Amino acid sequence: NAGVTQTPKFQVLKTGQSMTLQCAQDMNHEYMSWYRQDPGMGLRLIHYSVGAGITDQGEVPNGYNVSRSTTEDFPLRLLSAAPSQTSVYFCASRSGTGGFNEQFFGPGTRLTVL
Amino acid sequence: KQEVTQIPAALSVPEGENLVLNCSFTDSAIYNLQWFRQDPGKGLTSLLLIQSSQREQTSGRLNASLDKSSGRSTLYIAASQPGDSATYLCAVPTGSGNTGKLIFGQGTTLQVKP
Repeated sequence: NAGVTQTPKFQVLKTGQSMTLQCAQDMNHEYMSWYRQDPGMGLRLIHYSVGAGITDQGEVPNGYNVSRSTTEDFPLRLLSAAPSQTSVYFCASRSGTGGFNEQFFGPGTRLTVL
Repeated sequence: KQEVTQIPAALSVPEGENLVLNCSFTDSAIYNLQWFRQDPGKGLTSLLLIQSSQREQTSGRLNASLDKSSGRSTLYIAASQPGDSATYLCAVPTGSGNTGKLIFGQGTTLQVKP
């Protein structure tokens, strides 16, 4: 198993550009989520999905869109990048839809918005 | 509102020492608690998951304990090695657990000196 994979590893954008961060998992996990990690703020949940076709907002969803057309993939879209979105983005997945199981994280995407 | 605290924020020990990292949480109604390791510039690696019904979990030189009534967990690392140098994070799922949102502590950055 590759586990949770993310692409790209690094990205530099200009303000106003759009892009999609890719996340995929090969563990057939129902639950997937996106976090951002910022110094002094820790990890914060952006969006999550409990299965294909089902998504919901986390605590910092503004400026981001998600969709879940398959179990394996959960892309995160930045519609119009802003410097405040400079961060490290992590995708995570977990089996089941309850809170009982272990969560696995991808290697992250480091995004800089100029 | 659940809050997770890790003390100390940083720790430096000589190689071979046994050490304890602390994690406390304010709401004892948790499903489980998960310990992660994060190397600089890397993603989060799951170390141990303790279910709410368990008192401890062990993996190699790592032993995690959980005391729900006092809102505390400890991660014990035996015979520390320079390769153990990393940031260690603890996290608990929120509320009903169905959102899968993890509340993270700020982490303890460990340096093991040769």
